[in-house]
Order: sequence, then structure tokens, then C-alpha cells
Amino acid sequence: TQLLEQSPQFLSIQEGENLTVYCNSSSVFSSLQWYRQEPGEGPVLLVTVVTGGEVKKLKRLTFQFGDARKDSSLHITAAQPGDTGLYLCAGASKSGGSNYKLTFGKGTLLTVNP
Amino acid sequence: GAVVSQHPSRVICKSGTSVKIECRSLDFQATTMFWYRQFPKKSLMLMATSNEGSKATYEQGVEKDKFLINHASLTLSTLTVTSAHPEDSSFYICSASRPGLAAPGQYFGPGTRLTVT
Repeated sequence: TQLLEQSPQFLSIQEGENLTVYCNSSSVFSSLQWYRQEPGEGPVLLVTVVTGGEVKKLKRLTFQFGDARKDSSLHITAAQPGDTGLYLCAGASKSGGSNYKLTFGKGTLLTVNP
Repeated sequence: GAVVSQHPSRVICKSGTSVKIECRSLDFQATTMFWYRQFPKKSLMLMATSNEGSKATYEQGVEKDKFLINHASLTLSTLTVTSAHPEDSSFYICSASRPGLAAPGQYFGPGTRLTVT
């Protein structure tokens, strides 16, 4: 069974601070995805990282995929109250044919206080 | 991006009754759909993988006779919670997989909040 350890589970910070969320596994994933979810809604895909060592930027969010494709991080610069939400990492692995199965981390509940 | 819908968004039912939740991919054909369960402020737990035209593949610990999955067309999968109990109350989310992508393209529905009284 593949497991993804995500940390921290809870994070409460002030507006303007920086933060990093980590996702670690002993397994290799073909790709890793980061989602953001608001209460009562489904997760929304932020980014997919595929190549070991890859870095992707989305405005104030920076995503890294480890060289060995076992870990990833999400860094938010100058957090804003609108960044509040549940951040989920998910590792993709093949489940037969051309289909992939996602293994989710436990999530990081981020609260950015004004 | 791709759109996946779920219906209903909220449902309250009495203990012992059955509830059907629909998941539709609106702008692409999804040969594979996934059903997840999520508890408050927790992550998503994969319940089963729904394959069009064949039986669903259930994750360990998920009762296939209780959570019936039907994927009768390339745009519709249904999850039926049979003989619901209060402990089945949860947020159920489906996702649809877009085939042929190099990286997995799972698009999530908005979820269905089930409350069993």
C-alpha cells in the first residue's frame, strides 16, 4: 500500500507570512498533484508535477517534486486570507491499462488570519 | 477545465433507506470514475474505481453490497448507499478520469453531503 505523509496537518498564520507544506512517501509516484478544497466543495486541481526535480509556479505558490519522485512541497509566499482552505497532495500510480489511481495525503488545513 | 457534476448536492434520508448519488462528466467521456468518501476536515478516502461497462473495483474494507456502483455510460456513474445507517453520513465525492493523458486527469465533482437520521 502506498502512503503519502503530509505535514503539517493544521497551520494557522498571519496574513503576509510564508509557509511550506510537505508531502513525503517511501514510494515512487508517476506524478503528484496538489489540490485545494473549500468547505462543502470538491477539490480543485492546482498543479501536476511529473518530472523529478520539477518546479512549478502559480502566482505566489511554488511546487516542487523531489528528484526521486517520492516527495513534494508547496510553498506559499505572502499568504492571504483567500488562501485559506484544505490543501491536499495526491500521488498517482497506474491501476491498470491507461488508468491512474490517486493516493491522497491527509491534508493540511490552512487558516490565514487577516 | 473539465466539468464533473454530482446530484444531489445534499440529501437527508432515514435509517434503513437507500440513496442514489449521480456523477456525470459533462464535457468528456470518462471510461473511469472514482468514488471517494471524506469526513469533516479530513482527506479523501478512495472507496472504489468505477469502470464503464464492467464491475467496479472496491478498496479494501469497503462493502460492495452496501455501496453499489453502476457505470452504465461513458458520462454517468451512480453510487447507491443501501440500507443507510447514521455512520454512513459523510461527504461523498466522485471524480472522472480523462483517458489518454500523460499525467492523470482526475476532475472532481462538487460532492454530495449525505445525512442519515
